[in-house]
Amino acid sequence: DAGVIQSPRHEVTEMGQEVTLRCKPISGHDYLFWYRQTMMRGLELLIYFNNNVPIDDSGMPEDRFSAKMPNASFSTLKIQPSEPRDSAVYFCASSFGATDGYTFGSGTRLTVV
Amino acid sequence: GDSVTQMEGPVTLSEEAFLTINCTYTATGYPSLFWYVQYPGEGLQLLLKATKADDKGSNKGFEATYRKETTSFHLEKGSVQVSDSAVYFCALHSGGYQKVTFGIGTKLQVIP
Repeated sequence: DAGVIQSPRHEVTEMGQEVTLRCKPISGHDYLFWYRQTMMRGLELLIYFNNNVPIDDSGMPEDRFSAKMPNASFSTLKIQPSEPRDSAVYFCASSFGATDGYTFGSGTRLTVV
Repeated sequence: GDSVTQMEGPVTLSEEAFLTINCTYTATGYPSLFWYVQYPGEGLQLLLKATKADDKGSNKGFEATYRKETTSFHLEKGSVQVSDSAVYFCALHSGGYQKVTFGIGTKLQVIP
């Protein structure tokens, strides 16, 4: 298996623009998570899905953030409009159940200027 | 709520030194415990896990024992290498919620 695949690896955008981050989880995994990592706040869980259904989005910072999972093999995280404070590394992770742990993607480094 | 406390880094060691990174937790019920490692520019990777008290997780020379009486899961390695330089995260999962709670991460730097 190729693991969790995220794209793009790097994104630089201007403030106010829409940004879409993409994730392909491991086949057969039934949970998908979106995390944000910054030096100041560490790892923050933004939202997670079970069987393509959003379960908990309490970590989404504000209405500018939205996430979808239209099928078991694809998810997107969208920021519209983007702001400089959104600059961070965004990780997608997937798992089958809880006790085996998560598999993380390599992340998308977002820079908003 | 659930929480994980890790020692703050950075931790700097010479090659072949003994490593301990402390981790304690607060959780309801009987959590599963994990250590993840993050190498520069990469995502987190599961390093080892333990699912019940007194279990020992091990991988790549690293070990951690689930201590229920002290609510701890300290990471140890007998002889570190430069290639072990990374950030190490302690984490737990408990109860019916799928979310994993992560610690803040401890940066390890091993110098030749």
